[in-house]
Amino acid sequence: QSALTQPASVSESPGQSITISCTGSSSDIGSYNYVSWYQQYPGKAPKLVIYDVSNRPSGISNRFSASKSGNTASLTISGLQAEDEAYYYCSSYTRTSTPWVFGGGTKLTVL
Amino acid sequence: EVQLLESGGGLVQPGGSLRLSCAASGFTFTSFAMSWVRQAPGKGLEWVSSITGTSTNTWYADSVKGRFTISRDNSKNTLYLQMNSLRAEDTALYYCAQTQFWTAYDWGQGTLVTVSS
Repeated sequence: QSALTQPASVSESPGQSITISCTGSSSDIGSYNYVSWYQQYPGKAPKLVIYDVSNRPSGISNRFSASKSGNTASLTISGLQAEDEAYYYCSSYTRTSTPWVFGGGTKLTVL
Repeated sequence: EVQLLESGGGLVQPGGSLRLSCAASGFTFTSFAMSWVRQAPGKGLEWVSSITGTSTNTWYADSVKGRFTISRDNSKNTLYLQMNSLRAEDTALYYCAQTQFWTAYDWGQGTLVTVSS
């Protein structure tokens, strides 16, 4: 069981917006801004799309945005495109014996 | 362009050992922490271990603590993961990642480790 909880799957139509949640605790998301999001296509390596809660690396579309509130982080993808169909993972630093944890992943389907 | 190339994976029996390598290029290796993240077949990502740029600090997931050792050779721009006492549950694709402040900025393509008799 992952330390961070994500919905297993979400789906939305092209052109719409979708938000993926990532729920942790006061030991991780609630206390630190080291929250990042990764996009992974089947059979490919993950790719960073958001770091430090809400920052986009160079080259990532501004259709990707993120935030956090309390113990929950959220990734929003606007203007959904077929190419956004992938798995998305959140991660956070945590002040436990295992300092870096990932969410279980969310499969995004663009209908 | 950052390039990370993992190698060393393969089939190993339970209780056996394996050493993974990750050759890095395209950035100042010593300036970045490095990490190993694994993904079991059909499963999600799991952080395994991280090491600072000068090897001053290392961290391990509880699931591998005492069995795995992370190290790096900055003269060769190479990251290593020595894996001992391997178990079936260690079967996974192992990625190395350029890391900063608990964020994996760039990833390799992974090397597959299969633990089976």
